[in-house]
Amino acid sequence: QSVLTQPPSAAGTPGQRITISCSGSSSNIGNKYVFWYQQLPGTAPKLLIYRNNHRPSGVPDRFSGSKSGTSASLAISGLRSEDEADYYCAAWDDSLSGPVIFGGGTKLTVL
Amino acid sequence: QEQLVESGGGVVQPGRSLRLSCAASGFTFSSYGMHWVRQAPGKGLEGVAAIWYDGSKKEYVDSVKGRFTVSRDNSKNTLYLQMNSLRAEDTAVYYCASIRGDWGQGTLVTVSS
Repeated sequence: QSVLTQPPSAAGTPGQRITISCSGSSSNIGNKYVFWYQQLPGTAPKLLIYRNNHRPSGVPDRFSGSKSGTSASLAISGLRSEDEADYYCAAWDDSLSGPVIFGGGTKLTVL
Repeated sequence: QEQLVESGGGVVQPGRSLRLSCAASGFTFSSYGMHWVRQAPGKGLEGVAAIWYDGSKKEYVDSVKGRFTVSRDNSKNTLYLQMNSLRAEDTAVYYCASIRGDWGQGTLVTVSS
């Protein structure tokens, strides 16, 4: 059971806009930056969003992040078949004396 | 181009040790904190250990405290993870990652008798 809660699955059709949620608490998302990672099948994770809503160079602007209170969201617009992947949110947690924590992951299916 | 390359994975018996290495290139390694993140077969990501850019602070997930040690040699641009008293539940692909967002390709550790 992860400290950061994501829906296990999401689905959409090409061209659609979908959002993936990540719910936490005041000790993590509430006062820490949120990061989002994309993991394509059989590959290493790739940073999609850092510091809540910033995109690294090379990440399409179809991907966007937001945060409100103790929740964060990843939005993908203009959904493409190549977006089918697992998506993870991550954040540090003040109440845990450990490294960054990850959500359980959301498997996105493009129908 | 920024690159992280892990090595040192393999099959090991329960209770034995293994040391993973992560060679960095293409960025100023000594300026960035680093993580080890693992992924058990068919499971999600788990942060295992983190080390500050200068090695002054280290953090571990509870399940590996006292067994794993993270370290770095900034003169060699290399990150390490010493894993002792390995258990079956440590079986996973281990990734090194920088706080910049670079990730290695991962190295598989299998703990089995």
